[in-house]
Amino acid sequence: DAGITQSPRYKITETGRQVTLMCHQTWSHSYMFWYRQDLGHGLRLIYYSAAADITDKGEVPDGYVVSRSKTENFPLTLESATRSQTSVYFCASSEGGWNTGELFFGEGSRLTVL
Amino acid sequence: GENVEQHPSTLSVQEGDSAVIKCTYSDSASNYFPWYKQELGKGPQLIIDIRSNVGEKKDQRIAVTLNKTAKHFSLHITETQPEDSAVYFCAASEGVTSGTYKYIFGTGTRLKVLA
Repeated sequence: DAGITQSPRYKITETGRQVTLMCHQTWSHSYMFWYRQDLGHGLRLIYYSAAADITDKGEVPDGYVVSRSKTENFPLTLESATRSQTSVYFCASSEGGWNTGELFFGEGSRLTVL
Repeated sequence: GENVEQHPSTLSVQEGDSAVIKCTYSDSASNYFPWYKQELGKGPQLIIDIRSNVGEKKDQRIAVTLNKTAKHFSLHITETQPEDSAVYFCAASEGVTSGTYKYIFGTGTRLKVLA
């Protein structure tokens, strides 16, 4: 089915471990984004990508790494997880351009760091 | 950079009543203001948006108003129904980036429609 999918949906890990959250979209959207959602903070942009091999930092990039070798995939890696990275992570994609700014979100990945 | 404040954080209304959620933004260069609805366990979905050259936009029971001078915009939901219960996020575009909008989101409003 077309859409944007995230995996895993739920993940529990320990401090210091590496974790990768996967994001896959089937629309061939140029732009992809990673947000984290925390109570009292709303949605905050971690990283975004305008195309394959083009990525840039958002508001809260520290502690995260992204890559985009293929247009359809945009994995987010926490190289050494910390408790402050416990959050719900949302991947999103958009067509880009200025006619529409609509973001299409995945269903989220809930990460708990113990 | 852009800062977006959203109020109230929670809102309870009786079914059939209206609900209003307000946001203010700081960057006068912002020119695109979307609203997203997030149902429990789901990702946010765009429900309505407005550009800075328009003062009001309506789509059935929902409307958005924009006051550029005061830098605030509001979401109005009339004749609320139980399925309107969700978390609503406002957002404002931040600057200009390569080819598309980047947003700063508000902190969200949890709307409960009481039957």
